[in-house]
Amino acid sequence: DTGVSQNPRHKITKRGQNVTFRCDPISEHNRLYWYRQTLGQGPEFLTYFQNEAQLEKSRLLSDRFSAERPKGSFSTLEIQRTEQGDSAMYLCASSATDRGAYEQYFGPGTRLTVT
Amino acid sequence: AQSVTQLGSHVSVSEGALVLLRCNYSSSVPPYLFWYVQYPNQGLQLLLKYTSAATLVKGINGFEAEFKKSETSFHLTKPSAHMSDAAEYFCAVSGDRTASKLTFGTGTRLQVTL
Repeated sequence: DTGVSQNPRHKITKRGQNVTFRCDPISEHNRLYWYRQTLGQGPEFLTYFQNEAQLEKSRLLSDRFSAERPKGSFSTLEIQRTEQGDSAMYLCASSATDRGAYEQYFGPGTRLTVT
Repeated sequence: AQSVTQLGSHVSVSEGALVLLRCNYSSSVPPYLFWYVQYPNQGLQLLLKYTSAATLVKGINGFEAEFKKSETSFHLTKPSAHMSDAAEYFCAVSGDRTASKLTFGTGTRLQVTL
């Protein structure tokens, strides 16, 4: 396993701009999760996919946020019209629940700074 | 709904001393419980998990945790702290049987001194 990878690792953007992050899960993991972590807090669940289906979205995921996993492999998280409050670390994780393995493996995260 | 409370946002121990990081959970269903460690500017690394098998769970790097249903606790311990254990530790709970959504505590920062 090469682990979960996320790109970019850092993103600085101006308020009002759109940003997109990418997550590549561990190969053949059927589930993919997105979390957001702000300074001094634990990660907060945003959404998750099972294969290509988005099964749950948190209320934290406003209309400006959209996530996709079109072929059941990598996923993208887009934030439109960014706000300063969107500044956070965005973490991706994956798991293989179809093999009875429920633990989630996390990527290194994408740190977003909105100026 | 599930929730996690980690008592003590900062814990300091001497190298070689016992490490005890506290986690209490609330769950309306039998929970799955996890401990993760996070080093600065990195993602989370799984230390150990409880998924309704043995109540004493052993993890990586010499850590272990005991699930105590009567106390709704899942405290993390390590007999002898090492300098490399200095990091942020998160306890997490999932209330469904496939751990589809983790609810994390606010974390405990472990400091290890000489």
